[in-house]
Amino acid sequence: EAGVAQSPRYKIIEKRQSVAFWCNPISGHATLYWYQQILGQGPKLLIQFQNNGVVDDSQLPKDRFSAERLKGVDSTLKIQPAKLEDSAVYLCASSLEEFSYEQYFGPGTRLTVT
Amino acid sequence: GENVEQHPSTLSVQEGDSAVIKCTYSDSASNYFPWYKQELGKRPQLIIDIRSNVGEKKDQRIAVTLNKTAKHFSLHITETQPEDSAVYFCAARSGGSYIPTFGRGTSLIVHP
Repeated sequence: EAGVAQSPRYKIIEKRQSVAFWCNPISGHATLYWYQQILGQGPKLLIQFQNNGVVDDSQLPKDRFSAERLKGVDSTLKIQPAKLEDSAVYLCASSLEEFSYEQYFGPGTRLTVT
Repeated sequence: GENVEQHPSTLSVQEGDSAVIKCTYSDSASNYFPWYKQELGKRPQLIIDIRSNVGEKKDQRIAVTLNKTAKHFSLHITETQPEDSAVYFCAARSGGSYIPTFGRGTSLIVHP
């Protein structure tokens, strides 16, 4: 079975620019997660979708971050404008359903903000 | 919310030795505790997990123990090999939110 796909794998931007990341979950997985992993730390959940609805976005900095999953499959995460502290790996994960314990992670997008 | 503490941050062992990584959690409602292995530049991968209704689980050289009273759980790797070198993350998932909270990670280095 194909895994979680993410693109791009790497992105370098200047502060105050905008950037978007794309995620395609495992086929049939209803739940999709976006995590931010700062170097030397564990992943931190930004937002969780169940199909095309938001389940939790309490840790998403909504003044600059936005995410959508319009058709309940692919998702995009956007940062506008970016700050230096947004430099991190952005991981997408999916699970079969909201109450499924096991999550499958994508390879991540490494963002560097200069 | 849940708070997960993980120790040590770095662990260096000789090939063949055992390695133990410990985590504590704060939310007594947490009922699922996965462990992930993340090799450099790669995605986190689930290696073992335990649910709150058991105290220990083994899978070949890897085992996890859970002490609900003390709110701590540990990963045990026996007969370590150089390919075990990676960052290991523990996580705790509350029964209420189903959203895992991760520890800060342990960098395990196995010297040949």
